[in-house]
This record gives sequence, structure tokens and C-alpha cells, in this order.
Amino acid sequence: QVQLVESGGGVVQPGRSLRLSCAASGFTFSTYGMHWVRQTPGKGLEWVALIWQDGGYKYYADSVQGRFTISRDNSKNTLDLQMNSLRAEDTAVYYCARGIYNGVWHYFDYWGQGTVVTVSS
Amino acid sequence: QPVLTQSPSASASLGASVNLTCTLSSEYSRYAVAWHQKQPEKGPRLLMKVNRDGSHTKGDGIPDRFSGSSSGTERYLTISSLQSEDEADYFCQTGGTAFGVFGGGTKLTVL
Repeated sequence: QVQLVESGGGVVQPGRSLRLSCAASGFTFSTYGMHWVRQTPGKGLEWVALIWQDGGYKYYADSVQGRFTISRDNSKNTLDLQMNSLRAEDTAVYYCARGIYNGVWHYFDYWGQGTVVTVSS
Repeated sequence: QPVLTQSPSASASLGASVNLTCTLSSEYSRYAVAWHQKQPEKGPRLLMKVNRDGSHTKGDGIPDRFSGSSSGTERYLTISSLQSEDEADYFCQTGGTAFGVFGGGTKLTVL
């Protein structure tokens, strides 16, 4: 069965960096676009970043553009999110999600359990 | 980018039915949406994708109690025979080639 397992969350000071990882199994990882989505405390879901199957295209939400970098290793079935210059407003549960793209839009058909990132001094 | 609007809260009695609504901004009336369920302490789960014409495709293992429909700019999620485990947050989601966007979510309380 499809499994997505995030890791790497923790408590970090503002301005510092953190790297999240997502280990995928149960499907052919290299044939799916992958996303990071976050949920801030008491609030809704926010799409963060997308990477296409071969890693050739990457897209980001305006709120993280220039600070976060999404990457993948199809040989290891892993998805990463490098988060730099972290801010208090980046505090959230971060989920990796498998994307389905029909040529027009992406939606998410499987999600991980999430990893908690807290940005605080 | 499209804007998705959801009521913040909804409630219904155990065993009853409830309709949750997701409204697309008018210029995006042709867009499909996906409905996701978020239970406490769990990752989100895809319930279904609802197209402009009301046809819908469910996620893996989603029971028949969950159904979807459309009208104009509105996309609906209907849950019948409500169970206690249906108490959760429900988010609609759409997007484009290079982005995703979520509605604010509806917190469903099962009375």
C-alpha cells in the first residue's frame, strides 16, 4: 500500500534552517509529482511546493519562494524540503503528498502523517 | 488564482445527512475540486474529486456514504448516515499546473 513517512521536524530558532524528508513506498515514486503542504496551528491547509516526476520543474507558494527548496531522489524514493531563513509563521505541521495531475490541475491522493516544525526563539 | 470559500463550521446529528459546500470564485466556475478529510492527529485523506458536471471519483476505501455533486460555482460533499468518526475538518482543494489552493475548511460536529 502507498506509504508516505515524513521526518526531520523539530524546534528551530528564527533565521535558521531545517531539512524535512519524506520516504515513499508502495508505488512507483518516479512516476508521480510530489508536494509539500502545511497546516498552521488552528488554521487550514496551505500548499507549499511541488516537484514534477523527474525533478525538472519546481514550484513554490509565494510565502516560501526564495527560502524553501524542494528536491527528490528517485533512486531512493525520497522527497526533501530544505527550509532556510525560517520565520515564526512557518510553524506548522508539514505533510508530503502524492500528486495526481490530469494535464490541468494537481490534487493529492495520498498524504503522510506529518512532521511538526516549530520556529521559536 | 482561484479562491475557494467554505463555511467555518457545520453540525448534524448522528445518523443524519449533511451537505458541505465549497464555492469557487466566479471566474473559475469550470474547475473541479478535491475534498479532503482531516481528523485530529491524523494526516489528511482524499475523499473524492468532484468535477464541474457533478461526476465524482472517490479515493481508495471511501465508503458509499460519501458523495459529491456540483452546481455552478459550488461543489458539494454530502455525507449520509453520519457516524461519530465523521467529526473532522473538511477541506476542498483545486489548483493549476504550478500551484495548489485550499479552502479554509469546514469543521463538522456530529451531535
